[in-house]
Amino acid sequence: AQSVTQLGSHVSVSEGALVLLRCNYSSSVPPYLFWYVQYPNQGLQLLLKYTTGATLVKGINGFEAEFKKSETSFHLTKPSAHMSDAAEYFCAVSDQGDDKIIFGKGTRLHILP
Amino acid sequence: EADIYQTPRYLVIGTGKKITLECSQTMGHDKMYWYQQDPGMELHLIHYSYGVNSTEKGDLSSESTVSRIRTEHFPLTLESARPSHTSQYLCASSDPTGGDLDEQFFGPGTRLTVL
Repeated sequence: AQSVTQLGSHVSVSEGALVLLRCNYSSSVPPYLFWYVQYPNQGLQLLLKYTTGATLVKGINGFEAEFKKSETSFHLTKPSAHMSDAAEYFCAVSDQGDDKIIFGKGTRLHILP
Repeated sequence: EADIYQTPRYLVIGTGKKITLECSQTMGHDKMYWYQQDPGMELHLIHYSYGVNSTEKGDLSSESTVSRIRTEHFPLTLESARPSHTSQYLCASSDPTGGDLDEQFFGPGTRLTVL
């Protein structure tokens, strides 16, 4: 069965510092992997996704993530945090060909001035 | 930009009332989903639909029901609301045939509080 583990329910970084949000998954078949962001009082918005091909995926707002099969990880990074990045971030996985997505519990990112 | 709408955005209601949460999308997507989201918890799929007249229960058991009479509309109904139904409900849609496999577009959510 698929599952997603996000390490750290809350992460705080200073403005301008590196953002690293960790995600590990389990899947019995090659997965599709996603990162979604949720701003307060809004729905989820897709940041980026990995399906096949290049393992380093670039998304919106300067975020990127790298699929590492050997580590079953899909960590999200951004070189320099902005105050506007404060939000909740969800990692998600689905099996290729399956329309169901399994979400992690989310990580709330706090940006310190 | 995704065009998926949910109403109401916030609802506070008493125990025993019947409520319907509305979800509409203008993208012509066949697949639609309802998720329940509690604070600090993952999203749980409670219902989904592959198209008109298709409804399926999701991974999390829910006392709610759904209908899909039109492609663009996927309402969720609670016949008798209880405090345990207090949560945020998110609607989503997807269209794998459009090229972005499995990407789901989300509405803004309805935050339901049952007193």
